[in-house]
Amino acid sequence: GQQLNQSPQSMFIQEGEDVSMNCTSSSIFNTWLWYKQDPGEGPVLLIALYKAGELTSNGRLTAQFGITRKDSFLNISASIPSDVGIYFCAGHLGMTGKLIFGQGTTLQVKP
Amino acid sequence: DTGVSQDPRHKITKRGQNVTFRCDPISEHNRLYWYRQTLGQGPEFLTYFQNEAQLEKSRLLSDRFSAERPKGSFSTLEIQRTEQGDSAMYLCASHSGTGARNEKLFFGSGTQLSVL
Repeated sequence: GQQLNQSPQSMFIQEGEDVSMNCTSSSIFNTWLWYKQDPGEGPVLLIALYKAGELTSNGRLTAQFGITRKDSFLNISASIPSDVGIYFCAGHLGMTGKLIFGQGTTLQVKP
Repeated sequence: DTGVSQDPRHKITKRGQNVTFRCDPISEHNRLYWYRQTLGQGPEFLTYFQNEAQLEKSRLLSDRFSAERPKGSFSTLEIQRTEQGDSAMYLCASHSGTGARNEKLFFGSGTQLSVL
């Protein structure tokens, strides 16, 4: 079946640093999404990407839809303590809301 | 609060017992999804409804699992004869399904199931 591989698996950074994480797939997707999940809560949508090559920002977050449609990248600039959490990429292909999620990147920010 | 609501937030049960979870989607959303998430993994699709019709079920949804959405509003997910491997976070999500991006799912806070 389709699988998404996220890297790195975890990151421990200093407040104020920039963060980069990526997601690769063996299959093509029409849409890439990035979610953030806090402990004990459901995922919250951060950014959605709809076109190969697209670069989209949401505040300090910037994500890109890879040209091959098999990868996506998320950057967080000037990290702050509330950025702590697990970041998931998700790919979407069909006409429903069925998403394929990666395993997540755990981000810890040291004040 | 007009988000997706799930109840209960936590459930501890003994192996072999039946459990039922409830999800109330965002009121104007006609599509409702169930996902399961185990520790250290991303959510995995289980099933989805458009209004009251269950349109797709994952192979992950064994015969012990049943989901309903009788009036096209709230949904229930029942697990019969629970097993320790059923321990997970069960997430519900919804979206409007028409005139909107189908992939923009809004998730609830989940029900954390622990089977002892």
